[in-house]
Amino acid sequence: DSGVTQTPKHLITATGQRVTLRCSPRSGDLSVYWYQQSLDQGLQFLIQYYNGEERAKGNILERFSAQQFPDLHSELNLSSLELGDSALYFCASSGQGANEQFFGPGTRLTVL
Amino acid sequence: GQNIDQPTEMTATEGAIVQINCTYQTSGFNGLFWYQQHAGEAPTFLSYNVLDGLEEKGRFSSFLSRSKGYSYLLLKELQMKDSASYLCAVNTGFQKLVFGTGTRLLVSP
Repeated sequence: DSGVTQTPKHLITATGQRVTLRCSPRSGDLSVYWYQQSLDQGLQFLIQYYNGEERAKGNILERFSAQQFPDLHSELNLSSLELGDSALYFCASSGQGANEQFFGPGTRLTVL
Repeated sequence: GQNIDQPTEMTATEGAIVQINCTYQTSGFNGLFWYQQHAGEAPTFLSYNVLDGLEEKGRFSSFLSRSKGYSYLLLKELQMKDSASYLCAVNTGFQKLVFGTGTRLLVSP
């Protein structure tokens, strides 16, 4: 158990819908990262937050957005969902000055 | 652009040694990570190299050559539970990790 929690574990929805994925980092970690893992693309970095502020952006679509709240939990919002958005979404956290990222168990999103 | 290459699949026998290679070309370099990932589960940290050379940690070792853009993960005394995907990832700055597509290792009895 990495100490990073993610909810829900599984999510099934339809095209065009909007969903919110939630992540709680390890106690004391200020940085939160979001990744998408699909079968054909491997693990893709989406976005990073540090203590409530966006720090780095990867290949995140405009239909996707994220935020980190004052209690350091983070949410990833996915809207106008398409079939291709079906994937595992991982959240990771790291401590200040630390290199290692600890990954949560992931949310499996299925878009039908 | 960012490019990280790993073999797609490897097979090995229980008790043997296997070396998984990773080559990279990235816009920045602040260290290289190896993660293990069992199917459907979260990646778990194995090793981190930022300077050239070999880092040893029990049955697992990782090597880095920054001038060659090359790393390898060495797994000794393979066990069945080592069957998993091994992900090479480069920190390109601000802890932004760029991952390779992973190497699926199958350990047979």
